Amino acid sequence: GAGVSQSPRYKVAKRGQDVALRCDPISGHVSLFWYQQALGQGPEFLTYFQNEAQLDKSGLPSDRFFAERPEGSVSTLKIQRTQQEDSAVYLCASSPDGLAYNEQFFGPGTRLTVL
Amino acid sequence: SQQGEEDPQALSIQEGENATMNCSYKTSINNLQWYRQNSGRGLVHLILIRSNEREKHSGRLRVTLDTSKKSSSLLITASRAADTASYFCATPRTSNTGKLIFGQGTTLQVKP
Repeated sequence: GAGVSQSPRYKVAKRGQDVALRCDPISGHVSLFWYQQALGQGPEFLTYFQNEAQLDKSGLPSDRFFAERPEGSVSTLKIQRTQQEDSAVYLCASSPDGLAYNEQFFGPGTRLTVL
Repeated sequence: SQQGEEDPQALSIQEGENATMNCSYKTSINNLQWYRQNSGRGLVHLILIRSNEREKHSGRLRVTLDTSKKSSSLLITASRAADTASYFCATPRTSNTGKLIFGQGTTLQVKP
């Protein structure tokens, strides 16, 4: 079956532009996570949805970052007024249920470069 | 913030040799997971070991967990060039979200 997909795979933005990154989780998966991965580092948690409810946004680095999952499936991570420090790979992951300790299924990521 | 630390940061071996990577973590855990990331790709889940388990096998992978030392190791036996990747340990935060806290990873190069 289809895995987690993300689009676009690559995004180049000028500093100050707004960007929107899309995640299509595995169909029927309840939990959806966003992570940010800087070059040479491990992923860092940004935010978590259980269905359409955003239960944890403690990892969002600033109020320029906003995520939504309005119908409990597709999710969008929006970054307003992008800065160079936002350059990273943004990973989306989903898991089948709301249980806290399962494995997560990751998408290929969106590589964002802010010039 | 990173939960774990892996060592070594980089490892280079010949095909057929074994590769061992270590991970240390700081807080109590429910389980510990290992993921692989090939260049330019997302993370692939390899194995999950629960806090009440000491050792687990999956194919050529062997994972150990020592909760008293807050450490885990991943052994890849009879390595192949296709095993070249970055390997991360991750622990779910003990909350109702299960967000994963990753280490910084070990970059493994297997030379043919």
